[in-house]
Amino acid sequence: GQNIDQPTEMTATEGAIVQINCTYQTSGFNGLFWYQQHAGEAPTFLSYNVLDGLEEKGRFSSFLSRSKGYSYLLLKELQMKDSASYLCARDNYGQNFVFGPGTRLSVLP
Amino acid sequence: NAGVTQTPKFRVLKTGQSMTLLCAQDMNHEYMYWYRQDPGMGLRLIHYSVGEGTTAKGEVPDGYNVSRLKKQNFLLGLESAAPSQTSVYFCASRDSGQGHQPQHFGDGTRLSIL
Repeated sequence: GQNIDQPTEMTATEGAIVQINCTYQTSGFNGLFWYQQHAGEAPTFLSYNVLDGLEEKGRFSSFLSRSKGYSYLLLKELQMKDSASYLCARDNYGQNFVFGPGTRLSVLP
Repeated sequence: NAGVTQTPKFRVLKTGQSMTLLCAQDMNHEYMYWYRQDPGMGLRLIHYSVGEGTTAKGEVPDGYNVSRLKKQNFLLGLESAAPSQTSVYFCASRDSGQGHQPQHFGDGTRLSIL
């Protein structure tokens, strides 16, 4: 199977830190991507991990554990504009991506 | 910078009608993809192409056909539209299958089948 699991919804407060988890099937794994999608818009690329560990990019960081089939996206100093869906996607044998259902994040004032 | 362009942006069809969605990219990317996005189900891959003249089935290919006659264009066809095909359709392109390269998405086509 190629299931990818993410929480459906999360809520956090402006200025806080939030962690969005993603678990995936490890067979054929060729990298893990995170995308941001605002309502009514196209997904936009946030981060990529292929090796174990943490990749930091400004307020956003992404972590990967290959052996556990686990990743998370960490958002710091949350802003209202961070309210969006966050999609976890697994590169499948370098041919295509398998996307998770997405996590809808609401940032409250 | 056009990137990935989808046409049309909106369309309403009657059951049984046919139509073609066009995706064009100006980045000289090898790989192109068609997805549908329904509430609560994320992006599901319909068909994809790893190069001009090649296509492959994705997760939900039934009721759709595709063609990649030119490298820059990827067409998605609905031969006989059904209400279950009401969805938002996204096209994406990718430079190649090298791991670090992300997919780049168009703005989507909102399709309603009555």
